[in-house]
Amino acid sequence: ETGVTQTPRHLVMGMTNKKSLKCEQHLGHNAMYWYKQSAKKPLELMFVYSLEERVENNSVPSRFSPECPNSSHLFLHLHTLQPEDSALYLCASSQDPSNQPQHFGDGTRLSIL
Amino acid sequence: GQQVMQIPQYQHVQEGEDFTTYCNSSTTLSNIQWYKQRPGGHPVFLIQLVKSGEVKKQKRLTFQFGEAKKNSSLHITATQTTDVGTYFCAGWRGTSYGKLTFGQGTILTVHP
Repeated sequence: ETGVTQTPRHLVMGMTNKKSLKCEQHLGHNAMYWYKQSAKKPLELMFVYSLEERVENNSVPSRFSPECPNSSHLFLHLHTLQPEDSALYLCASSQDPSNQPQHFGDGTRLSIL
Repeated sequence: GQQVMQIPQYQHVQEGEDFTTYCNSSTTLSNIQWYKQRPGGHPVFLIQLVKSGEVKKQKRLTFQFGEAKKNSSLHITATQTTDVGTYFCAGWRGTSYGKLTFGQGTILTVHP
């Protein structure tokens, strides 16, 4: 059982739709992350938040917009996505944004039509 | 930028055989972490290595960090079907917040 919960688990959307992915962590951690996992590629870090402030933006296209309203919740707002954005999107948290182990959620499997 | 290369990409073994995956970084690392992702699951943290030349064991799993802190390995003795999954190494340079760089992963299949 994971202390990081992601919803929805699966999402199918058209390129013109707007949707949001949600992540909630119940571990009392101060850092949260979004990763993209595509087939045959390493995990790609997208965003890092520490105490609700974005501390890392890994050259992610603006069609992905993160939001961190508090240290327990993280959103990824999606709009005008492309077919190549189809992937597993993983949320993770850690005690702080240094070298601490990261705890991952089950991910949202996103398919862009 | 920093790169972490992991080999092999795939490994098929018979149950009872040993398995090793190797991780190499283009830069010196502050630490290295290992994760396991079961099919259909999410990455789960296994261990972190910090010191040069460090060796840690978890039951049948042995983790090593190279003397130069640029490479690492995970060795599984006498594999079991429960070992199936993808094993990732992830390195941290200590210069960027939370910026773990993951290797591509080694997909392990164990045949009973």
